[in-house]
Amino acid sequence: QVQLQESGPGLVKASQTLSLTCTVFGDSVRSGNYFWNWIRQPAGKGLEWIGRIYTSGTTSYNPSLQSRVTISLGTSKNQFSLKVTSVTAADTAVYYCARYDGKMTALDYWGQGTLVTVSS
Amino acid sequence: QSALTQPASVSGSPGQSITISCTGTSSDVGGYNYVSWYQQYPGKAPKVLIYEVSNRPSGVSNRFSGSKSVNTASLTISGLQAEDEADYYCTSYSGISTLVFGSGTKVTVL
Repeated sequence: QVQLQESGPGLVKASQTLSLTCTVFGDSVRSGNYFWNWIRQPAGKGLEWIGRIYTSGTTSYNPSLQSRVTISLGTSKNQFSLKVTSVTAADTAVYYCARYDGKMTALDYWGQGTLVTVSS
Repeated sequence: QSALTQPASVSGSPGQSITISCTGTSSDVGGYNYVSWYQQYPGKAPKVLIYEVSNRPSGVSNRFSGSKSVNTASLTISGLQAEDEADYYCTSYSGISTLVFGSGTKVTVL
C-alpha cells in the first residue's frame, strides 16, 4: 500500500522560501510510470495544481506559479520536494503531495496535507 | 491556465440523481480524454472517483459515473446518499504535461 506524507515548517515569513518534503512509503519516486505532484488548497477554497516531477526528473509547473516554484527528487529514493520563493499571504494553504499514475491518468494516492501559514 | 468551471453547489434528496458539470476549453477538457473526478470531505485529502472521463477505480461505488461532451465533462451521482455530502472536483490534462482543477462543487443532501 502506497502512502505519502508531507513535512516541513508550518510557518514561513513573507518574502522567504517555503520548503516542503514528501516522503513516499511503499514506492520509489525514481521508478515506474508515475508523476509526483504538489497541490495546494487555501482555507475554504478550491484545489490548485502547483506542478509535478516525473521519475526521470522532468518537471512541469502551473504557469501562474512557474517563476517561483521548484520541484525536485530527493537524494533518498522515496522523497521529493517543493520550494516556493518570495512567499506572500496568498501562499498560505494546505499543501498536498500526490502520485499521478501515468497509466490510470489520475491522482491515485495523496498525503494527508500540511498547513503552511505565511506570516508578515 | 484558468480553473475549469463547476457550479458552486448542487443539492438533491436521498435516492435522487444529481449531475455536476465541469466546463473547460478545447485546450483541456475538450482536447483530451484525461478528465478525472475527486471527492473531498472537510479536512481530508481528495479521493479519486473517476479517471479517463468515465472509468471507476476498483472500490468506487457504481453510483458514480462520468461522461463528456465537447468541452464539458459531467459527474453523475445516482441514488444519492447522506455520505455523498462532500466537495467534488474535476481535473483535466491541459497540455505540455500540466493539469488544471475545476473550481469545486459542494454537494448537499437535503
